Amino acid sequence: NAGVTQTPKFRILKIGQSMTLQCAQDMNHNYMYWYRQDPGMGLKLIYYSVGAGITDKGEVPNGYNVSRSTTEDFPLRLELAAPSQTSVYFCASSYSGHADYGYTFGSGTRLTVV
Amino acid sequence: EDKVVQSPLSLVVHEGDTVTLNCSYEVTNFRSLLWYKQEKKAPTFLFMLTSSGIEKKSGRLSSILDKKELFSILNITATQTGDSAIYLCAPNTGNQFYFGTGTSLTVIP
Repeated sequence: NAGVTQTPKFRILKIGQSMTLQCAQDMNHNYMYWYRQDPGMGLKLIYYSVGAGITDKGEVPNGYNVSRSTTEDFPLRLELAAPSQTSVYFCASSYSGHADYGYTFGSGTRLTVV
Repeated sequence: EDKVVQSPLSLVVHEGDTVTLNCSYEVTNFRSLLWYKQEKKAPTFLFMLTSSGIEKKSGRLSSILDKKELFSILNITATQTGDSAIYLCAPNTGNQFYFGTGTSLTVIP
């Protein structure tokens, strides 16, 4: 199994550009999450989804959008990139919210906005 | 407001030392607490704790939860250079996890 796959691994954006961070999992997990991690900081939840067609805001949703049209995919959209969105983005999934064995994380996307 | 505080923020020890990492939390609808190890990539799962007073062990690592006092500790005995990482705790409320800022551990040979 591939687990959680994130693409791209690195990206540089100019201010005002848009992009979509892709996340796919092949474990039939219901729950999926997007986190950002700034240098020296913990992970902060951007959006999460408890199943296809259902999404909800996390701690820091401003400037982002998500969709969950299938169980497998949970893309994160940045519409107007700002320097404050320079961060490492992690996608994660779990079978349930209780996450008996924790999350499975993707390898991350390092985004720089200049 | 939900809050997770980890201490110390950073720690430098010599190989063979024993370390204790602390995590205190205040979250609504607490269900469980997870510990993760993060090296230069995505976090990897260490432990999930749901009950107070029951120690979980994996090799040189162990962890325990106190639901009354709202904290957890992670112990690492006989530290090795491969233990150098950021250790994150994350209480879970059922729908999401709240991550602390982590404790950065550096083990010197």
